[in-house]
Amino acid sequence: AQKITQTQPGMFVQEKEAVTLDCTYDTSDPSYGLFWYKQPSSGEMIFLIYQGSYDQQNATEGRYSLNFQKARKSANLVISASQLGDSAMYFCAMREGGSGNTGKLIFGQGTTLQVKP
Amino acid sequence: GAVVSQHPSRVICKSGTSVKIECRSLDFQATTMFWYRQFPKQSLMLMATSNEGSKATYEQGVEKDKFLINHASLTLSTLTVTSAHPEDSSFYICSVGGAMNTQYFGPGTRLTVL
Repeated sequence: AQKITQTQPGMFVQEKEAVTLDCTYDTSDPSYGLFWYKQPSSGEMIFLIYQGSYDQQNATEGRYSLNFQKARKSANLVISASQLGDSAMYFCAMREGGSGNTGKLIFGQGTTLQVKP
Repeated sequence: GAVVSQHPSRVICKSGTSVKIECRSLDFQATTMFWYRQFPKQSLMLMATSNEGSKATYEQGVEKDKFLINHASLTLSTLTVTSAHPEDSSFYICSVGGAMNTQYFGPGTRLTVL
């Protein structure tokens, strides 16, 4: 069974508008972490945002925010005021258990975002 | 965040040869590094966990004798693809744990086996 599911293979958004990229996860471990990464065409993986399973508030990093719905097991990424440079592949990932940064990551299938001028 | 480098960034080799890929953590001592593989238009799949001073832990289905991992120091892990074949052509990327529950990735190595 998929542990991380991204159901949107591709998304379009108009420049300056907000967009939500969906991510659902499945785990029985009470301690886990959720990550979002951006992968432009160059291939590098750029860390965007992190949400811990025990964090009470939704994580925010600049224009990125994570809509964490624990009961629904969803961790959607919201990008506000989209820019042309936001066009890339976006991956949701989960770390089960582990301590801090040492746990391995399981990735979703990815969502390709295209920002239209 | 942690700065991670990989070398080479791109390599083309003949079938049957071995290729070594280096992953360096430039500003962070990493007891654990991770190696992932990404086929075109697909997601990243974890291959193995590289542990400094001990044997790597391989994911199910990854041949440890084909993908040799050595983590000899706190800043360097190497992945050697032995007797490479065209089906091994892929994007190989390593990651290092950083502060505040982050993992930082290297820029990746694109391997093409002819």
